[in-house]
Amino acid sequence: GQQLNQSPQSMFIQEGEDVSMNCTSSSIFNTWLWYKQDPGEGPVLLIALYKAGELTSNGRLTAQFGITRKDSFLNISASIPSDVGIYFCAGHSNAGKSTFGDGTTLTVKP
Amino acid sequence: DAGVIQSPRHEVTEMGQEVTLRCKPISGHDYLFWYRQTMMRGLELLIYFNNNVPIDDSGMPEDRFSAKMPNASFSTLKIQPSEPRDSAVYFCASSQGRGPQHFGDGTRLSIL
Repeated sequence: GQQLNQSPQSMFIQEGEDVSMNCTSSSIFNTWLWYKQDPGEGPVLLIALYKAGELTSNGRLTAQFGITRKDSFLNISASIPSDVGIYFCAGHSNAGKSTFGDGTTLTVKP
Repeated sequence: DAGVIQSPRHEVTEMGQEVTLRCKPISGHDYLFWYRQTMMRGLELLIYFNNNVPIDDSGMPEDRFSAKMPNASFSTLKIQPSEPRDSAVYFCASSQGRGPQHFGDGTRLSIL
């Protein structure tokens, strides 16, 4: 089946630093999604990407849909303590379901 | 806007008991997904429905797990009999067409 390789698995950064994480796949996806999960809650959609090469921003977050349609990255600029959480990428095909990465756990030190 | 609603939020029960988890998807969404999340295995898709019909249940661990969607606004995930290894957070998510999934806050299940 389809699998996503998300990296890094965890990050420990200082407040104010920029963060970058990415996902790669052996399969092509039509949509790439990035979610954030806070403790005790479900994942919440941050950014959705629908076209190869698309670069989309949402505040301090920027994500890109790779040209090959097999990868995506998420950048967070000027991190703040509330950025702490688990970030998931998900690839979506025409089958109707999404394939999720294993998550990147972000810790921000004040 | 009401999001995906799951109940209960927490469930603690003894092994061997039947457990029923409930989900109300976002109104108008035609896809519903059940996931299980553990530290060891991450987020696993168990089963998903389209227009109340199960499409793919290949992620359901074994016959002790069953899921139903009797109508567009309600779904259940049942475990019978429950075992300690079923302890996890179970999420329900819904989507409209092939759009992004919206998740509930999950049910934290502990089987003693």
